[in-house]
Amino acid sequence: GAGVSQSPSNKVTEKGKDVELRCDPISGHTALYWYRQRLGQGLEFLIYFQGNSAPDKSGLPSDRFSAERTGESVSTLTIQRTQQEDSAVYLCASSGTSGGGETQYFGPGTRLLVL
Amino acid sequence: DQQVKQNSPSLSVQEGRISILNCDYTNSMFDYFLWYKKYPAEGPTFLISISSIKDKNEDGRFTVFLNKSAKHLSLHIVPSQPGDSAVYFCAATGYGNKLVFGAGTILRVKS
Repeated sequence: GAGVSQSPSNKVTEKGKDVELRCDPISGHTALYWYRQRLGQGLEFLIYFQGNSAPDKSGLPSDRFSAERTGESVSTLTIQRTQQEDSAVYLCASSGTSGGGETQYFGPGTRLLVL
Repeated sequence: DQQVKQNSPSLSVQEGRISILNCDYTNSMFDYFLWYKKYPAEGPTFLISISSIKDKNEDGRFTVFLNKSAKHLSLHIVPSQPGDSAVYFCAATGYGNKLVFGAGTILRVKS
């Protein structure tokens, strides 16, 4: 598999439940990003991992959101006590070396619907 | 604080004509700019980029122009094709920093 993969592709949950979204980046990519796209809006940066550096969490909208990454592999985005406004497509992207200006390759996204 | 703005939410163009998508930015530290294209139910895909040391970059039917003094860039698609119908995102970054995306412009190419 050459591309970024995400799972699940769709998730429907009830308000107040926790959800965990997974991202498998392209092998060898050191940088990994999470974005959110709400209906009718642009891409909203959430969090950025670069190698072993401390992640840039400046885009996380609240303390209900957290993300982990093990080394340069899989990342999980966790949303605790989901709210209806968390409904969105959550996109993961990875890039080669320094992040930032490197081209980012996106996964297909996870469509989250909070009822 | 919207550092990257795409002021046209949508654009409709006849097949064969030129599509011009515009993007403005406010952060003078941005030095690298990218355009992404997104089809429904798919993630964005990289289209073309430009460094701040250049004012034009061309790749086939796609050309990106950068006007640093105006903090403005544009994407030209010539000739436009129905398969170009998608959402186009402008993005910008300064060295080592995260990409900042615009809100996107929906392009519809009519045949």
